[in-house]
Amino acid sequence: DADVTQTPRNRITKTGKRIMLECSQTKGHDRMYWYRQDPGLGLRLIYYSFDVKDINKGEISDGYSVSRQAQAKFSLSLESAIPNQTALYFCATSDPGQGDTEAFFGQGTRLTVV
Amino acid sequence: KNQVEQSPQSLIILEGKNCTLQCNYTVSPFSNLRWYKQDTGRGPVSLTIMTFSENTKSNGRYTATLDADTKQSSLHITASQLSDSASYICVVGDSSYKLIFGSGTRLLVRP
Repeated sequence: DADVTQTPRNRITKTGKRIMLECSQTKGHDRMYWYRQDPGLGLRLIYYSFDVKDINKGEISDGYSVSRQAQAKFSLSLESAIPNQTALYFCATSDPGQGDTEAFFGQGTRLTVV
Repeated sequence: KNQVEQSPQSLIILEGKNCTLQCNYTVSPFSNLRWYKQDTGRGPVSLTIMTFSENTKSNGRYTATLDADTKQSSLHITASQLSDSASYICVVGDSSYKLIFGSGTRLLVRP
């Protein structure tokens, strides 16, 4: 089983709909992240959470919200989806306790807003 | 502004040939630099990590270099294989462990 699991893997939704992307991890890491990836651009940080009670905006948080339900679960919501939110979304975890910054990524969720 | 820039944007090479990918960064303060490989439709996976004191590190056919003075890193792939076709992403961590991603180099290895 994957250490970082995202659901769904693919989703097509209509403009204006609310949609939730879910992420769960079995690595026991406190830090979790949501990124989006667009063609020709690097991964951009949407939100991150350093523990269950800590939620922080990333560089492109407008139009998104998150919920950290437990150490292992971090959900991303699009309250009212719009076409320019069509992208590949990645959840990731990290554990800087060892002074390292390796991020472990899920398989990604391909979201299309029509 | 903290930035990571990679070149070339894309690269096509023949199987068995070598290639070098470049990464320039302006992240400060610098913690470490990682190269990730991202296969199509999958999440990135770490290949190697470079810290401030390291100049060269190898992982099989992959060799990464770091020049902390010029803030440059390279990833050299030796004797390329078809399975090396992927995007290679340079990621720099700052002292607060925030990750700054480059836009990647898309490598295609042809038979």
